[in-house]
Amino acid sequence: AAGVIQSPRHLIKEKRETATLKCYPIPRHDTVYWYQQGPGQDPQFLISFYEKMQSDKGSIPDRFSAQQFSDYHSELNMSSLELGDSALYFCASSRMGPVNSPLHFGNGTRLTVT
Amino acid sequence: SQQGEEDPQALSIQEGENATMNCSYKTSINNLQWYRQNSGRGLVHLILIRSNEREKHSGRLRVTLDTSKKSSSLLITASRAADTASYFCATDAHAGNMLTFGGGTRLMVKP
Repeated sequence: AAGVIQSPRHLIKEKRETATLKCYPIPRHDTVYWYQQGPGQDPQFLISFYEKMQSDKGSIPDRFSAQQFSDYHSELNMSSLELGDSALYFCASSRMGPVNSPLHFGNGTRLTVT
Repeated sequence: SQQGEEDPQALSIQEGENATMNCSYKTSINNLQWYRQNSGRGLVHLILIRSNEREKHSGRLRVTLDTSKKSSSLLITASRAADTASYFCATDAHAGNMLTFGGGTRLMVKP
């Protein structure tokens, strides 16, 4: 079965550079979530989209922005990168329904800021 | 963690033993989910228990939920070396399905 696809798998950037992470949800999933996981930390919710509209916002810095496109893929744009942005960035998708459904996670993008 | 703590933070057991992990949360919830994460990989959904349920089983997994104590436990019976991973509980307090994860328990099952 198709899973959530994230690209790139690894990314190395320097401070103050920009980065764009991409996420392709499972077909027919209408909701996309972005999480950030620092080393040894639990995943922290950043932002989510339902039917291409932002639905929830978590601890996403102002330097980051995200959107969901007409084909339901999503991109997380990160600017003015800082050392502390080094983390695993996960995208997850689900299909919204009357009972909250499990999230399906991609394998993440490991961002290293030097 | 913004939502709660997992207990223990790390657990090491022998193959065949049972592993119990606990999770506490702070706010009222619609449901609680448990996820597994292998090192550096994505999280995999294990089981979901609704706020009006007290216990749920799935294969070797047993989850309990005590909403009065705002706590949940995950029991893995007859553990296997392949169960070695980090286990997270996650709760949602919104209809939008935004999940808040707990701190995770690192489980090591020795063969």
